[in-house]
Amino acid sequence: GAVVSQHPSRVICKSGTSVKIECRSLDFQATTMFWYRQFPKQSLMLMATSNEGSKATYEQGVEKDKFLINHASLTLSTLTVTSAHPEDSSFYICSAAAGEKLLFGSGTQLSVL
Amino acid sequence: KQEVTQIPAALSVPEGENLVLNCSFTDSAIYNLQWFRQDPGKGLTSLLLIQSSQREQTSGRLNASLDKSSGRSTLYIAASQPGDSATYLCAVRPNQGAQKLVFGQGTRLTINP
Repeated sequence: GAVVSQHPSRVICKSGTSVKIECRSLDFQATTMFWYRQFPKQSLMLMATSNEGSKATYEQGVEKDKFLINHASLTLSTLTVTSAHPEDSSFYICSAAAGEKLLFGSGTQLSVL
Repeated sequence: KQEVTQIPAALSVPEGENLVLNCSFTDSAIYNLQWFRQDPGKGLTSLLLIQSSQREQTSGRLNASLDKSSGRSTLYIAASQPGDSATYLCAVRPNQGAQKLVFGQGTRLTINP
């Protein structure tokens, strides 16, 4: 069945480095994917909407130069956290629409030292 | 701006009890409402989706209701089990055009054996 696969599940990096997170739709095509961020004991906040073949749409307050999104195919979207800092440590989750339902990836826990 | 609130933030009950989780939203003009389950450090699993024209949806021991005019939804869990322990998130889809969701902060549910 339709599944959203997200990798890696956990990543630890040094401050100043860049980290790439992948989100793949399996058994369905996703023209649009969504990237959310979740801080401990808080809700998911939408960061950006990723559209295949075009530029992503970022929510207010999200730095587009820091969070680079690429949606080069109908099954893959990537989020790159550039020059990561400790305050970027968070849980990042992607989602894609399969019909009326939104399917979510398993999330990526990013820890920046 | 749509805001979603969930009460209580945390709930602990003995196994076997029936329980109700609450969700409220500020703008009644919604397209649909969805309940998710999130296990620690994991992604989201969709439990029930209620369209704006519907009053309730049922799946097994779960029943979700929607009162759009009052901006409220409830998730009823019957005969709770330890395996039901998780965080339950309520999310509103504001309109048909955009598939992005507005989430509540969640209710952390613990079922004690």
